Amino acid sequence: AQTVTQSQPEMSVQEAETVTLSCTYDTSESDYYLFWYKQPPSRQMILVIRQEAYKQQNATENRFSVNFQKAAKSFSLKISDSQLGDAAMYFCAYRRNNAGNMLTFGGGTRLMVKP
Amino acid sequence: GAVVSQHPSWVICKSGTSVKIECRSLDFQATTMFWYRQFPKQSLMLMATSNEGSKATYEQGVEKDKFLINHASLTLSTLTVTSAHPEDSSFYICSAATSEPYEQYFGPGTRLTVT
Repeated sequence: AQTVTQSQPEMSVQEAETVTLSCTYDTSESDYYLFWYKQPPSRQMILVIRQEAYKQQNATENRFSVNFQKAAKSFSLKISDSQLGDAAMYFCAYRRNNAGNMLTFGGGTRLMVKP
Repeated sequence: GAVVSQHPSWVICKSGTSVKIECRSLDFQATTMFWYRQFPKQSLMLMATSNEGSKATYEQGVEKDKFLINHASLTLSTLTVTSAHPEDSSFYICSAATSEPYEQYFGPGTRLTVT
C-alpha cells in the first residue's frame, strides 16, 4: 500500500521569506501523480501544484515550486515570497495513474506566516 | 470550471436521526466520486469511492450500513449517515473526478454535529 509522510506538523515563515515543506512517499508503482493541496481555515481543499512522475522537470506555479526526487521518493514544496494568505494546512497527496484511483494524503503541515 | 458543491454546509441533528449530504459536480460529469471524513487538525480519511450506477466501495473499517452512499447520476452523489451518534460528528468532504486525466475536485465540505 502507498503511504505519504509529512514529517513537519507545523512550520512558520516570515512574510516575504521562503519556506519548504517536506513530503516523502512509498510506492512500488512507476506511473503516478503527486500533489500539494492547501486547506485554508474555510476548509476548502485547493490544488496548489501537481507533478507527473514520468516528468523529470519540477513543476512550478507562480510562487510555488516542487523538488521532485523520484529515486528518493521525496516531493517537497517551496513557497517563495510568502504571503499572509499562504497560512493554511498543506497536504501532500499521491495518486496512481489509473481511472478511479483515490488520493492518499499525508498527515498535513500547518503553515503559519508571520507579518 | 470544475466546481463541486455540497449541501448542506452545516447540519445539526439529534442522536438517532439520519442526515443526508449531497455532493454535486456543477459543470462536469463525474465518473467517480469520493467521500472523505476529516477530524479536527487531522488529514482526510477516505471513506468510500462511488461510481455512477454501481455500489460504492467502502474502505476498511467504514460501516456501509451506517454510511449509505448513492451515486444516482454523473453529477450527484449522496452520503446518508443513518442513526447518527455524537461520535459521527465530523467534517465530511466529497470530491468528484473527471474522466482522463482523472483530476479530483473537492467540495467545500459539510460540518455534521450530532447532539
